[in-house]
Amino acid sequence: DIQMTQSPPTLSASVGDRVTITCRASQSISNWLAWYQQKPGKAPKFLIYKASNLETGVPSRFSGSGSGTEFNFTITSLQPDDFATYYCQQYNSFPLGFGQGTKVEIK
Amino acid sequence: VQLVESGGGVVQPGKSLRLSCAASGFSLRSYGIHWVRQAPGKGLQWVATIGYDGNKKYYADSVKGRFTVSRDNSKNTLYVQMTDLRAEDTAIYYCARDRLEWLPPGYGMDVWGQGTTVTVSS
Repeated sequence: DIQMTQSPPTLSASVGDRVTITCRASQSISNWLAWYQQKPGKAPKFLIYKASNLETGVPSRFSGSGSGTEFNFTITSLQPDDFATYYCQQYNSFPLGFGQGTKVEIK
Repeated sequence: VQLVESGGGVVQPGKSLRLSCAASGFSLRSYGIHWVRQAPGKGLQWVATIGYDGNKKYYADSVKGRFTVSRDNSKNTLYVQMTDLRAEDTAIYYCARDRLEWLPPGYGMDVWGQGTTVTVSS
């Protein structure tokens, strides 16, 4: 099974900051990676597919990069609405797997 | 475009429960569907997936042999039958649509339901 490891678990930042989350796969997943945002009490929201492709309607301040085993998710200028938990997910093969999540909180 | 889960509740260990996932605004028949759960205060855990035609089914090891996914395309509804429930199955259960239609599942989850809560407790 492919293990997904996200870092950091928690990230404290201010509005306007640039933040980056890293996701590592235990083996190569090419670019079969998605990113999700989840706010408390809500379902996850789909943000990025195939490592770097923004889902329709997602603001351009969100971006993703990487391939193989190492991936990054970046918010270029953090907005108040962006404080949430972010998850990566591999869909290279079953069983599908999520990272443990990164909580982006207000500094 | 919406998914709505139902069927959650409180159930004793060892008992069974069936969750439903109903689609509106699109035809479920052309999409693979995933079940993902989230235990209280924890992260997301993939549970199971069923392909658009119902022929391909995948399960997490933790539920294999106990959970069964199925679909009734005529009702635009998916199901997961959960048996021999354990305390560790306590979670919010989400159904989510695979991003691409008419393909084997596994391209990301673009539409999610609001979730239904399952509590396994004596």
